[in-house]
Amino acid sequence: DTGVSQNPRHKITKRGQNVTFRCDPISEHNRLYWYRQTLGQGPEFLTYFQNEAQLEKSRLLSDRFSAERPKGSFSTLEIQRTEQGDSAMYLCASSQGWHEAFFGQGTRLTVV
Amino acid sequence: TQLLEQSPQFLSIQEGENLTVYCNSSSVFSSLQWYRQEPGEGPVLLVTVVTGGEVKKLKRLTFQFGDARKDSSLHITAAQPGDTGLYLCAGVAAGNKLTFGGGTRVLVKP
Repeated sequence: DTGVSQNPRHKITKRGQNVTFRCDPISEHNRLYWYRQTLGQGPEFLTYFQNEAQLEKSRLLSDRFSAERPKGSFSTLEIQRTEQGDSAMYLCASSQGWHEAFFGQGTRLTVV
Repeated sequence: TQLLEQSPQFLSIQEGENLTVYCNSSSVFSSLQWYRQEPGEGPVLLVTVVTGGEVKKLKRLTFQFGDARKDSSLHITAAQPGDTGLYLCAGVAAGNKLTFGGGTRVLVKP
């Protein structure tokens, strides 16, 4: 197992376009988290799944954001009608229950 | 307000000096983790502490979990330039989601 994998590593998009990111967790992990991080700050929680069920979604997350985890394996995070304020690093992590979480390398989104 | 408060936010020291980073909360955590992150990369797990009062050592890094499992500290002895990075604490409270502190940026100057 190579750990948590995120694709793409970098994405530049024009304002108003839709983008989708993918996260492949560590295979035996049942929890999958999405975070957003801006420069010099700690990761900000967006949403998390336990298996295929989305257990919580941040109130900070607008309706333009949606995440899925079909079959409890990989997950996708879609942002519709991107805005410049969406520019950030998007991090994915996985864990087995409440045990330690492992992160991918992140997807850096730049909205121009 | 964040569930986990880290202090200080920024620390600049000379090579060879010691430093301590604090992570505090009013909540009790099932476990608490420390990560180190470099620019453009994801956080890398350093240690997990689970038991109140637990102390773990990783070479020159010493991690302590408070007796009440509400706080933690990271102490680095004889810091080196390679210790430069963003240090993050994160915890799971009552089987809930993993939440992070705001991070402490450490700069070790040669």
